[in-house]
Amino acid sequence: DIQMTQSPASLSASLGETVTIECRASEDIYSNLAWYQQKPGNSPQLLIYDANSLADGVPSRFSGSGSGTQYSLKINSLQSEDVASYFCQQYNNYLTFGSGTKLEIK
Amino acid sequence: EVQLVETGGGLVQPGRSLKLSCVASGFTFNNYWMSWTRQAPGKGLEWVASITNSGGSTYYPDSVKGRFTISRDNAQNTLYLQMNSLRSEDTATYYCTRGYYGDYWGQGVMVTVSS
Repeated sequence: DIQMTQSPASLSASLGETVTIECRASEDIYSNLAWYQQKPGNSPQLLIYDANSLADGVPSRFSGSGSGTQYSLKINSLQSEDVASYFCQQYNNYLTFGSGTKLEIK
Repeated sequence: EVQLVETGGGLVQPGRSLKLSCVASGFTFNNYWMSWTRQAPGKGLEWVASITNSGGSTYYPDSVKGRFTISRDNAQNTLYLQMNSLRSEDTATYYCTRGYYGDYWGQGVMVTVSS
């Protein structure tokens, strides 16, 4: 089974800052990686797929990068509506999620 | 507009069964794989099951293999999850998702396994 190690578990940043969340896979997942945003009380929503492709309707301040076993989600110009939990997910070999990152505004 | 609406959740005793349904609309259902993912209260996300667009193949993690069965009725645009031999650790919100990795998610349905 592929394990996904996500960091940090929580993050506090100021409005307008740039934040980065990382995910490391236990083996090469060939960019078969998605990122989701889950706001409190809501279902997860797809942000990024195929490691760096922006899902429909997602603001361009969100971006994904990485390859092999190392991937990251970057949020530029942090806004108040970005307060949420973020999860990575590999889909190269079945499906595995990272443990999540809770993002708060400082 | 893509919509996924789950029903069938509730309180069930350990060892009993429950069947979830997900009615899809706003897209051509039989063109897509479908999946179920769950989230225990205050916890992360766990993949539960996936099914190919024809329904010919299904996939499960070890945690539910042999107890849960995913199926679909393409004529009714409906996805199902039959859950047998339920355990307390199956308590979670269950989400229906479109595609293999989930480009759309339903609102979720709560399943509580408790005596």
